[in-house]
Amino acid sequence: AQSVTQLGSHVSVSEGALVLLRCNYSSSVPPYLFWYVQYPNQGLQLLLKYTSAATLVKGINGFEAEFKKSETSFHLTKPSAHMSDAAEYFCAVSGASQGNLIFGKGTKLSVKP
Amino acid sequence: DGGITQSPKYLFRKEGQNVTLSCEQNLNHDAMYWYRQDPGQGLRLIYYSQIVNDFQKGDIAEGYSVSREKKESFPLTVTSAQKNPTAFYLCASSRLAGVGNEQFFGPGTRLTVL
Repeated sequence: AQSVTQLGSHVSVSEGALVLLRCNYSSSVPPYLFWYVQYPNQGLQLLLKYTSAATLVKGINGFEAEFKKSETSFHLTKPSAHMSDAAEYFCAVSGASQGNLIFGKGTKLSVKP
Repeated sequence: DGGITQSPKYLFRKEGQNVTLSCEQNLNHDAMYWYRQDPGQGLRLIYYSQIVNDFQKGDIAEGYSVSREKKESFPLTVTSAQKNPTAFYLCASSRLAGVGNEQFFGPGTRLTVL
């Protein structure tokens, strides 16, 4: 069965600092992995997705994630945080057959001026 | 503009009432999904539909019902059997059913039981 663990329910960084949000997955089949962002009281927006084409995936808004099979990880990074990055971030893995997404519990990112 | 619309944005329900949340998409997507979001819990799958006139239960389907009579519409009914319905409900769609397809989300409906 697929599952996702996001380490740290809250992460706080200073503006301009590196953003690192951690995601570990468990999957019985080669995984499809996603990162979504959610601003307060809004739906989710896709940041990036991994579909086995390349281990380093670049997304929107300067975010990228690296797939590491040996570590079963798919951590999200951004070199320099901006105030507008403050939001909740969700890592997800695609279900084994139905195509539904299995989400982690989310990480709230705060950016300090 | 193509996208997913959900209505209403806010909904208040009295104990014992059924309420229906609307989800419409004009993306010509085959698959549609309903998720429930609670603080600190991530998103949990309620129901999904891979094709018109067919739908499947997700992880937390008890107390909910759906229909898929048209490709673009996937309404969710929260029945009185759902003991704790206060939550944020998100509808999503993907172009195709099956593994690996990205999902596009609507803006959500926040349901509060009075």
